[in-house]
Amino acid sequence: EVQLVESGGGLVQPGRSLRLSCTASGFTFGDYAMSWVRQAPGKGLEWVGFIRDKAHGGTTEYAASVKDRFTFSRDDSKSVAYLQMNSLKTEDTAVYYCSRHYLVLPDGFDIWGQGTVVTVSP
Amino acid sequence: DIQMTQSPSAMSASVGDRVTITCRASQGISNYLAWFQQKPGKVPKRLISAASSLQSGVPSRFSGSGSGTEFTLTISSLQPEDFATYYCLQHNGYPFTFGPGTKVDIK
Repeated sequence: EVQLVESGGGLVQPGRSLRLSCTASGFTFGDYAMSWVRQAPGKGLEWVGFIRDKAHGGTTEYAASVKDRFTFSRDDSKSVAYLQMNSLKTEDTAVYYCSRHYLVLPDGFDIWGQGTVVTVSP
Repeated sequence: DIQMTQSPSAMSASVGDRVTITCRASQGISNYLAWFQQKPGKVPKRLISAASSLQSGVPSRFSGSGSGTEFTLTISSLQPEDFATYYCLQHNGYPFTFGPGTKVDIK
């Protein structure tokens, strides 16, 4: 079965760090870029950023709201994508999802994880 | 940044109604446009990719059209399970951007 599973969420104080994982199975993880999307309580979907597949350099793009605080990485040998979140703010409180997509095709975002909840509170 | 607007932001409709949701991009995005359905507490579900390609397993009453800057999602005959919030996503230019969503509820 093709699936993504996020983990690592929890309650954290402002200014602290947290690392989320997105574990893939059922497909060739290394062929895909991996995006992170979040949804604050009662709000819409917000794209956080993504990491390219190795064939396209494995580089990253970030939303302005998280740039310089969040870092994406990936371990294709383990089929895992990571989201390192530093200097967390209360406004980072959200459900965080990962999703796969292509770069050079208008396709992707077909598979999403179940989401992991991050709560940033004093 | 590419801004995505959606209209309407909310609507009330009846079972059997034809529903059309529009998404507009602030600049051309070719066909790098996807539509998602999300129900409360659930994961977004992709309905349409590449502006008009129906996801496998999605009922044929859903269709997408458009290219460039204007896109539409149409539900030809609204069913009870279609009451949800719908989002568009452009993934042509960075940052990728979602529309603000259209909530479809029961009239």
